[in-house]
Amino acid sequence: DIVMTQTPLSSPVTLGQPASISCRSSQSLVHSDGNTYLSWLQQRPGQPPRLLIYKISNRYSGVPDRFSGSGAGTDFTLKISRVEAEDVGVYYCMQATQFPWTFGQGTKVEIK
Amino acid sequence: QVQLVQSGAEVKKPGSSVKVSCKASGGTFSSYAISWVRQAPGQGLEWMGGIIPIFGTANYAQKFQGRVTITADESTSTAYMELSSLRSEDTAVYYCARGWELLRFRTAFDIWGQGTMDTVSS
Repeated sequence: DIVMTQTPLSSPVTLGQPASISCRSSQSLVHSDGNTYLSWLQQRPGQPPRLLIYKISNRYSGVPDRFSGSGAGTDFTLKISRVEAEDVGVYYCMQATQFPWTFGQGTKVEIK
Repeated sequence: QVQLVQSGAEVKKPGSSVKVSCKASGGTFSSYAISWVRQAPGQGLEWMGGIIPIFGTANYAQKFQGRVTITADESTSTAYMELSSLRSEDTAVYYCARGWELLRFRTAFDIWGQGTMDTVSS
């Protein structure tokens, strides 16, 4: 199975300041079809996850533009340009390149 | 807008089975993948398997092979996940989630059910 490793596991951030989460995969996530099936999800307390980013850098419908994704191969990053109070929660990267789909262990974003 | 509504919480004995339903409303059901993802208390997310209803064949994570069965009923727009031989480690919130791309299994999950808490306890 592909192991997804996120850092940091916890990220205390001041409101209005940027935040960055790294996700590293144990194997390249480039599929034979040329796509990289790496997505980012946000899970607010007590809620199901919510899709933010798909295929590395594509923002899903309705997601604020302060969220952005980047990376390639085995190294990926989610950035929040200016953290707002509603961004508190746990963020997961997920790969759907190789069965079984796997998730990172999650990064908790909280306000300082 | 499509919504996924799951069945209610259950308490099960070790060794028994649980079947969770996920009913789609407000949109097309058959042509989008439905996956099942679980989350143990205070833990991360774990993909169990999924199905594209119009194709009917499910894919499972090796870890759950032989214990999980995922099906879909197109006539009622409902997907099901049955997990057997339950043990305490199966205590978790079980989510259904829809793949956002038409007829694609290899895709991100854009719509999630509210989650179903299943507790395994003697």
